[in-house]
Amino acid sequence: EVQLVDSGGTVVQPGGSLRLSCAASGFNFDDYTIHWVRQAPGKGLEWVSLIGWDTVSAYYADSVKGRFTISRDQNKDSVYLHMNSLRIEDTGVYYCVKDKTLLMTWSGFDYWGQGTLVTVSS
Amino acid sequence: DIVMTQTPLSLPVTPGQPASISCKSNQSLLYSDGKTYLYWYLQKAGQSPQLLIHEASNRFSGVSDRFSGSGSETDFTLKISRVEAEDVGLYYCMQGKQLPLTFGGGTRVDIK
Repeated sequence: EVQLVDSGGTVVQPGGSLRLSCAASGFNFDDYTIHWVRQAPGKGLEWVSLIGWDTVSAYYADSVKGRFTISRDQNKDSVYLHMNSLRIEDTGVYYCVKDKTLLMTWSGFDYWGQGTLVTVSS
Repeated sequence: DIVMTQTPLSLPVTPGQPASISCKSNQSLLYSDGKTYLYWYLQKAGQSPQLLIHEASNRFSGVSDRFSGSGSETDFTLKISRVEAEDVGLYYCMQGKQLPLTFGGGTRVDIK
């Protein structure tokens, strides 16, 4: 059974930093791109970032470029989202999401984590 | 960026009746590999989104055959043949062809 367990969300002040974690299981982690998608309170879905199965390809939404860094640990089947210079508008639920297609840098998503809530507030 | 537009915003439905949601993109979602990178998700209240349809018309594993996807290039439709109470929630389309990956604004389906 595919599982993605997100963690690390908390309350942080504007300008602060945070690291989100995603622990994956139930599939061959090395062969799939992993994404982060966020949802502001009461709003729709926004793609944030991806890290490719090749561990090298990393892409970001313009809204987070230069502030967020994505990484993965193939030994721990885990992905991390390092978030710096946090803004109030970064508040929301962050989902770790598995790409559907084997050995593709991106396509669509098939499995989602349960989400972790990040609140940026003074 | 590829802009995804869903209609309607809200869709009240009667149990047992069909329902249909439209999704339009401002660029073709047909890729050079012959696949169309359009996906449909359902987000039930308090839950993570779940995949219903991939590559425009392929039902995901375990998804009821009451759900079907159709369309090509820039115009797509999700159909529910007979709505059940468990189908209520927010439906999103998403394009997976080009970065940034983008979603439609969502369609809220609820029971009349």
